[in-house]
This record gives sequence, C-alpha cells and structure tokens, in this order.
Amino acid sequence: AQKITQTQPGMFVQEKEAVTLDCTYDTSDPSYGLFWYKQPSSGEMIFLIYQGSYDQQNATEGRYSLNFQKARKSANLVISASQLGDSAMYFCAMRGLGSARQLTFGSGTQLTVLP
Amino acid sequence: EADIYQTPRYLVIGTGKKITLECSQTMGHDKMYWYQQDPGMELHLIHYSYGVNSTEKGDLSSESTVSRIRTEHFPLTLESARPSHTSQYLCASSDTTGAATNEKLFFGSGTQLSVL
Repeated sequence: AQKITQTQPGMFVQEKEAVTLDCTYDTSDPSYGLFWYKQPSSGEMIFLIYQGSYDQQNATEGRYSLNFQKARKSANLVISASQLGDSAMYFCAMRGLGSARQLTFGSGTQLTVLP
Repeated sequence: EADIYQTPRYLVIGTGKKITLECSQTMGHDKMYWYQQDPGMELHLIHYSYGVNSTEKGDLSSESTVSRIRTEHFPLTLESARPSHTSQYLCASSDTTGAATNEKLFFGSGTQLSVL
C-alpha cells in the first residue's frame, strides 16, 4: 500500500517570500510518480507539478519547484515569491504501478499568504 | 488542458431522494474518476472507468453507482440520499498516453452535496 503524509495542516507566509510545504511518502513500488495539486476555495483541483521517481533532476514549473529527496522519501513543494492568489489548499499525491496505480492523496496543507 | 464539467455545482436535497451528479469531458479521455472529499480532508477514490462500459469501485466504499455509456459522460447516482452522503464530489479525467506513473488528472469544479 502507498501512503502520503502532509504534517502541516496550515501554513502562513508573507507575500513575496518563499514557502516550503512538506510531503513524505511510503511505497514499495520501484517506480512511482509524485504530484502536487492546488485547491482554491472555489473547489477545483489544479495540477501544479510532477516528479518521476527516476527523474535525475528536481521538477520545476515557474514559481513551483519540487525538492525531491528519494532516500528520505520526501517530495516537498517550494513556492517562490508568494502571491496573494497562492492562498489555497495544497495536496501532495502519488501514483505507483499495478495495484497502486490509482492516485493517492495526502490530507493537504492550507496555505495563507499575508499581505 | 481538458475541459471537464460538473453539474450541479451545489445541491441541497432531502433524505431518501434519488440524485444524479453529472460529469462530462470534451477531450475524449478514456479514463474518468469520481473522488469524494470531506471539508479540509484528502480526496478518496470511489469509482473509476477506463472506457465505455467499464466501471470499477475505488478504495473508499460508496453506496453510489456510476455508468459509462458514452466516452464523454460519467454520471454518479445515489438511489436514496442520506445525511452521511453529504460531501464534495469531484470528477476527473485523463488520457492514457505516456507512462502510467505520470498520468495527470484534470478535475472538474466539483459538486457540493448536502443531504438534510
């Protein structure tokens, strides 16, 4: 079975500063993918970034980067230069192979950006 | 990006009523999913489909049922709604190209269901 753990129920960050949202995972699959999604108060889930378990470099997408530490089984999301519109719930998720190929989500982190 | 639509956006209904939550996507994606999410909590997979006439139950047991008669349409039905069904229901789709582990889901805006 695979499991995603997000230990920060809520985080605050000052506008224009960087923030790191923690995510650790557990899986027995040799190959897996890690995702981050953003859920604003409107409810939809927005894909942010993907990291494959065999990718040599950390994934980046604009202001989002994923700090992937395979040995520690962590996949932290880093948001640089926070904006007020970044205030939302952030979910870490993973997908494995075979019976674990469905996307499993963590419990989320509520990020609030302060002006 | 995929266009995926859910209706209604909000639904308040009495106990015992039959309801159908609609989900449609215009990208021709083979795979579609239904997730259930309680406020501030993680998403749980309740149903998925890999194509027409193919449906499977997800990790979270649900009294709802689904059908997939057309590629673009994946409705979810509750025969007799109860207060315990109060939750947000999110529909998603994805295409099947690429490696399985990098399959990206595109989500609708969700239906917030309240059963009184």
